[in-house]
Amino acid sequence: LAKTTQPISMDSYEGQEVNITCSHNNIATNDYITWYQQFPSQGPRFIIQGYKTKVTNEVASLFIPADRKSSTLSLPRVSLSDTAVYYCLVGDIIGGTDKLIFGTGTRLQVFP
Amino acid sequence: SAVISQKPSRDICQRGTSLTIQCQVDSQVTMMFWYRQQPGQSLTLIATANQGSEATYESGFVIDKFPISRPNLTFSTLTVSNMSPEDSSIYLCSVEDQEGMKGGEAFFGQGTRLTVV
Repeated sequence: LAKTTQPISMDSYEGQEVNITCSHNNIATNDYITWYQQFPSQGPRFIIQGYKTKVTNEVASLFIPADRKSSTLSLPRVSLSDTAVYYCLVGDIIGGTDKLIFGTGTRLQVFP
Repeated sequence: SAVISQKPSRDICQRGTSLTIQCQVDSQVTMMFWYRQQPGQSLTLIATANQGSEATYESGFVIDKFPISRPNLTFSTLTVSNMSPEDSSIYLCSVEDQEGMKGGEAFFGQGTRLTVV
């Protein structure tokens, strides 16, 4: 399982775009990149998953360069409710299930 | 998706005692995972529980301290044995998406907040 590195914390203001970058230099060919969000007193919640290039859903976008050694989670126009910890995970989906190993996560604080 | 219910949601326990945490899923799943999250920290995987076989523990966690049961495909328990204040933490149950075969999409319970005094 590839190890991930991401900033410990980030601050932003409401309405701004937030980009959180994750490094995963040892990512394997079969690995997918997945981001989770965790609010206080709750379990993590799946945000987005991708393999290469760009993925977008109603919550966020995920940018993955060609070498796949990093990825960037982009949150458009954040609000106070986006204050949370964001985790980047890398894992092999071949075979269906794979245990998730969480890194330190990035604590995002959104200010009014 | 999967809906996970954990019981209890929180508890305060005396040192030396044991607490069993229950995890109920609304669908059948092959693998269930137990995590620990200490205050202000990330999640640490304790073990993977498969139905019909012994759980697989991660480094630093042993069966005597954290026995796990997996009697069927929708239920699991984690016991924290002979507790000490260092066991004070949030314990979370998790399952992974089965139908979509997206190995990275997991669902988590709300967690059990344990305080050992």
